[in-house]
This record gives sequence, structure tokens and C-alpha cells, in this order.
Amino acid sequence: QVTLKESGPALVKPTQTLTLTCTFSGFSLSSSGMRVSWIRQPPGKTLEWLARIDWDEDKFYSPSLKTRLTISKDTSKNQVVLTMTNMDPVDTATYYCARIKGATNTGAFDYWGQGILVTVSS
Amino acid sequence: DIQMTQSPSTLSASVGDRVTITCRASQSISNWLAWYQQKPGKAPKLLIYKASSLESGVPSRFSGSGSGTEFTLTISSLQPDDFATYYCQQYNSYSATWTFGQGTKVEIK
Repeated sequence: QVTLKESGPALVKPTQTLTLTCTFSGFSLSSSGMRVSWIRQPPGKTLEWLARIDWDEDKFYSPSLKTRLTISKDTSKNQVVLTMTNMDPVDTATYYCARIKGATNTGAFDYWGQGILVTVSS
Repeated sequence: DIQMTQSPSTLSASVGDRVTITCRASQSISNWLAWYQQKPGKAPKLLIYKASSLESGVPSRFSGSGSGTEFTLTISSLQPDDFATYYCQQYNSYSATWTFGQGTKVEIK
């Protein structure tokens, strides 16, 4: 059974760095073709893809947020970590981690975490 | 960036109705299109991938079609559990980036 769960602070101050951890089970990010992404959703708005990391350490970022994001993985702990620098109130959102479906990339997210609401406020 | 335009933004329908949601891409995306259902306070749920492939466990009343720039999600007979918000999502295989549509809220008529 595949599960993912996000953890991190619920509240951060403007200009601070956000660190979120996705802890997953039911698959290994060392297995060929496995990929995990981070996606966020501001309250009442649509979803926004942020970053992706692959089994072979390839990393991809949203062009609009690239300078602020870093994604990494700890295969031994089954974790993916996202850091976002210089947080602003507009970054207030529910942050999800999700697995990309299929060993051959289908471009779809088949398993999602429950999400974590992060509020940026002083 | 590839933009995704969903229509309508809100749809009022009754149980048993046939419902169609459209998603248009600003440029051709071949069949790199997925559909999700999201209920309040919950994570999105994958319904359709590669434009027309039904995700395992998803009822067969859901179907997807299209290629290139125009795509459709159809619910053949709306059920009470289907009242939710639906999102299309494209994957750009060249830049390895994703974009979601603005969403379609399906409400009870």
C-alpha cells in the first residue's frame, strides 16, 4: 500500500525558509522510474506544481520558483524534502507531495499525501 | 508556459445527468493530460491519465477523450458522490513541468 505524508511547520514568518518533509511507504525512490513531486494549492485556488525528484537524482523545478526551491531525498528514510526560501504571505497554501504514476512517466500523480497547510504571517 | 483553460468554471447538474467538462491547452500536448477529482479538505484523486486511460478503481462512468489541444472529461450518469471540483492537468514532456486548469465545480442543481 502506497502512502505519503507531509510534515513541517504550520506557520512561518515572512522572509523565513520553509522546510517540508514527505515521508512515504509502499515504494522505494531508489527503484528505477520512481519520481516524487511537490504541489501546492492556495486557499480557494487551483493547484501549482513546484518540484520533482527522480530515482536517479534528477531534479526539476517550476521555472517561476526555481531560484527559491531545493528538493532532495533520503532514500534510507523514504523521505523527500523541499525547502523554499524567502517565504511571503502569497505562499500561504496547502502543500502536497505526490508520486508520479508509472515507471515510465505517465505525467500523472497517482498517490497524494493528505497535505499540510502552511500559513505565512508575521 | 503552456496554459490550460477549463470550462465551465461551475456546472449545476442533477443525479443521473450526463456531464461534460472541457479543457483546452494553449499549444499541443499530445495526450499528456490527466483529470482529478477533489473534495473539500482532501487531496486530489486521479481519475484519468494519458487523456483517456481510466485509473484503477475509478468507476467506468468516468471517461476522457481528446488529443492535441482539446480534451473532455465525461461523467455518463452523475452520482451523489461525484459532486466535487474537477481539475485537468498537462505535463510538458520537453520542459518536465506541469500545469493545472482552474477547476470546474460540479454542484447539485
